[in-house]
Amino acid sequence: GAVVSQHPSWVICKSGTSVKIECRSLDFQATTMFWYRQFPKQSLMLMATSNEGSKATYEQGVEKDKFLINHASLTLSTLTVTSAHPEDSSFYICSARGLGSGTYEQYFGPGTRLTVT
Amino acid sequence: AQSVTQLGSHVSVSEGALVLLRCNYSSSVPPYLFWYVQYPNQGLQLLLKYTSAATLVKGINGFEAEFKKSETSFHLTKPSAHMSDAAEYFCAVSDNLNSGGSNYKLTFGKGTLLTVNP
Repeated sequence: GAVVSQHPSWVICKSGTSVKIECRSLDFQATTMFWYRQFPKQSLMLMATSNEGSKATYEQGVEKDKFLINHASLTLSTLTVTSAHPEDSSFYICSARGLGSGTYEQYFGPGTRLTVT
Repeated sequence: AQSVTQLGSHVSVSEGALVLLRCNYSSSVPPYLFWYVQYPNQGLQLLLKYTSAATLVKGINGFEAEFKKSETSFHLTKPSAHMSDAAEYFCAVSDNLNSGGSNYKLTFGKGTLLTVNP
């Protein structure tokens, strides 16, 4: 149980285009989803937190107009990187937290490798 | 504010030797603490977690960690390393509150790369 998937697993796009990454909770309903970014050989940096049906909360320094997050259902959140540039190349990982006040644990997706050329 | 410090960005052990990965945390509220493992180009897998119950926590793959409040530590250990343990390990801290926009956000340490020599 508690499986989170991401699609695509890797994507290459040209500079200036937009890319959408999907994060799905496959066997549970996720009230909260988190989006992280990880540079090579570095830790995970939280980009934003999204609750189903409401606007995402972005961490300081993350451009909300560049990284659009939508959490339209309890099983799906999307991250759209708009007007991508080579510096946006990174490993993007989502996680999901389930329903219930005691469900503090996050379940992580396998990640999406984005390369912008 | 919370923070995590992982001492040693790279730890190398021989197969069969003790594994010790260090983690110290800072938190203004009683924390929840986690250890995750990441294999190359993959997401994170939870090894174990501390959530204010028993201070010695046993996880998967023979790993365990002990919460020591006086030392603000949560070091990860395994008695005997296996080649398959080679990976990146992350310690993370979360507050135990689901209010005020907290959402149990995780703060990660910088990670420790474990290599296991035959």
